[in-house]
Amino acid sequence: GENVEQHPSTLSVQEGDSAVIKCTYSDSASNYFPWYKQELGKRPQLIIDIRSNVGEKKDQRIAVTLNKTAKHFSLHITETQPEDSAVYFCAASSPYNAGNMLTFGGGTRLMVKP
Amino acid sequence: NAGVMQNPRHLVRRRGQEARLRCSPMKGHSHVYWYRQLPEEGLKFMVYLQKENIIDESGMPKERFSAEFPKEGPSILRIQQVVRGDSAAYFCASSPTWLKGVSNTGELFFGEGSRLTVL
Repeated sequence: GENVEQHPSTLSVQEGDSAVIKCTYSDSASNYFPWYKQELGKRPQLIIDIRSNVGEKKDQRIAVTLNKTAKHFSLHITETQPEDSAVYFCAASSPYNAGNMLTFGGGTRLMVKP
Repeated sequence: NAGVMQNPRHLVRRRGQEARLRCSPMKGHSHVYWYRQLPEEGLKFMVYLQKENIIDESGMPKERFSAEFPKEGPSILRIQQVVRGDSAAYFCASSPTWLKGVSNTGELFFGEGSRLTVL
């Protein structure tokens, strides 16, 4: 089955700096890669996603890049703000999975220091 | 338009008791997924259900755990004879109807989770 690795596990940045979180996946058939943000005690919420037919997607201060050949994808957050502090999860989904089953990475705890 | 509803939000059980967690998917969604999140860890897939069918239970422990999604009512994740290691947040997610052969629509909509503490 799919295996998703995520790095780093913790990331501390100064407000205004950029943050980059990287993930690798094992199943070359995977074609959908979402990123979820989870604030303390809250539910995971989708913040951005990318499909395998594109290499990059941007939404205001967040962007995601995908390298299918190397089987890795990254989340980029620019001009970080204290409210970006949360745990971020990458995930991957294969068309051969039943339904929309996602395999998640282990998470990155991002701390933005004011 | 209510989102995914889970209850109870918090549940405390003593070792050996049973825990029942309930999940009502978003309106119009017929697919339910259960994930477990141990403290300071990621989300681990447990089971995927449609109404009256278990589609994929590859992540479910073989013993003590069971799940159902009846024709009427919420999906239920049942843990029998709980042990301390079962202490975790259990998240339910739902998605719209998925058609085999069609690119998956992707997003899972998560509930707020049920936090189980086993004393």
